[in-house]
Amino acid sequence: EAQVTQNPRYLITVTGKKLTVTCSQNMNHEYMSWYRQDPGLGLRQIYYSMNVEVTDKGDVPEGYKVSRKEKRNFPLILESPSPNQTSLYFCASSSGGSIGELFFGEGSRLTVL
Amino acid sequence: AQKITQTQPGMFVQEKEAVTLDCTYDTSDPSYGLFWYKQPSSGEMIFLIYQGSYDQQNATEGRYSLNFQKARKSANLVISASQLGDSAMYFCAMRGRPYNTDKLIFGTGTRLQVFP
Repeated sequence: EAQVTQNPRYLITVTGKKLTVTCSQNMNHEYMSWYRQDPGLGLRQIYYSMNVEVTDKGDVPEGYKVSRKEKRNFPLILESPSPNQTSLYFCASSSGGSIGELFFGEGSRLTVL
Repeated sequence: AQKITQTQPGMFVQEKEAVTLDCTYDTSDPSYGLFWYKQPSSGEMIFLIYQGSYDQQNATEGRYSLNFQKARKSANLVISASQLGDSAMYFCAMRGRPYNTDKLIFGTGTRLQVFP
């Protein structure tokens, strides 16, 4: 089954404690990206990757890091989480282009106290 | 600039009735794609339907159809024979330039509630 898998699905942490949200896709997609969803703001792109070792900032990259060492994996790293990073996070993958569908993971709900 | 506008924050519909969720978009590209996603209360984003700008016919997927009016730049989602399980947030989206960013531009969503 084609899927994008994120972990953890739910996490409560404290300010400053580093955390990583993992993402893996099994569709051999070139593109992967991270979004955050906040009430009234919709989904906004954090980072994206066009291929292994190629990543770039999206619209809201501050406070986040990513890496793409393997094609299937694209972890999101919060080095020093802050309460304003409390959000619902989605990983997505696609084959790219102007019309291709994005496949989303199930979402990771993060709370930073 | 590319933009998606959903003007209905919330909609109510009775079970088995049809409902239309509005979406207008703004782009200067001749080639583009429009998407609708469903987000139930559990949080996941579920792809529903896709319409390409050059598609000759309106897209249809089961009970979902897209009323695509290119000249008016609208891509409304029509759900026929609503079911209780259709209660969710619905997002209209389009690919954002530059396309190598793999970005989807989303509207703010419409919350649909289906009542018995």
